[in-house]
Amino acid sequence: DQQVKQNSPSLSVQEGRISILNCDYTNSMFDYFLWYKKYPAEGPTFLISISSIKDKNEDGRFTVFLNKSAKHLSLHIVPSQPGDSAVYFCAALRRGATNKLIFGTGTLLAVQP
Amino acid sequence: EAGVAQSPRYKIIEKRQSVAFWCNPISGHATLYWYQQILGQGPKLLIQFQNNGVVDDSQLPKDRFSAERLKGVDSTLKIQPAKLEDSAVYLCASSSLRDTFSGNTIYFGEGSWLTVV
Repeated sequence: DQQVKQNSPSLSVQEGRISILNCDYTNSMFDYFLWYKKYPAEGPTFLISISSIKDKNEDGRFTVFLNKSAKHLSLHIVPSQPGDSAVYFCAALRRGATNKLIFGTGTLLAVQP
Repeated sequence: EAGVAQSPRYKIIEKRQSVAFWCNPISGHATLYWYQQILGQGPKLLIQFQNNGVVDDSQLPKDRFSAERLKGVDSTLKIQPAKLEDSAVYLCASSSLRDTFSGNTIYFGEGSWLTVV
């Protein structure tokens, strides 16, 4: 049962343009949604998060939008830079005894110079 | 501040052999996680420790996988006997108790890459 889904395995954009990465989830009980960035041969690093009670969170070039009715969130990167090329994982967390992160399958973003 | 340390970085073993991975979390972090990431998939939680107690091991294949966190600091993940489908990156992560609920302070190590042939 895939509770967090990233349906686009890859995305290619031009430097300076907007990158939009999408994520869908099935469990309406999630409290937080997070985006992690992963370079090859490195562990995932936290990028940005959003509480389930918000619909937008912005941090510099990165903005995450949450549409609870559609159970959908997206990460916008503006402007995209070649250094943003990496795998992006969407993850969801439900507060409780375990606070377990559930990850999507990832989207490989390639930013072309 | 030193990050999450893992070793070995790379390991190649034959099926039915055993392997062990070691993790040293960030100093003071009470929560430690082991994730398995198979190529093309997202990380999947295998086991979560709070200090030296197991909080969640529901997705740990207990017939072949075992993990321990003696003294609530370092942790070891063992696979015995290994199968071909165990080929993956094993990620260790840690978090301080007071930050765990928001998820944005879970720090990952670089991972241990396992190839079973």
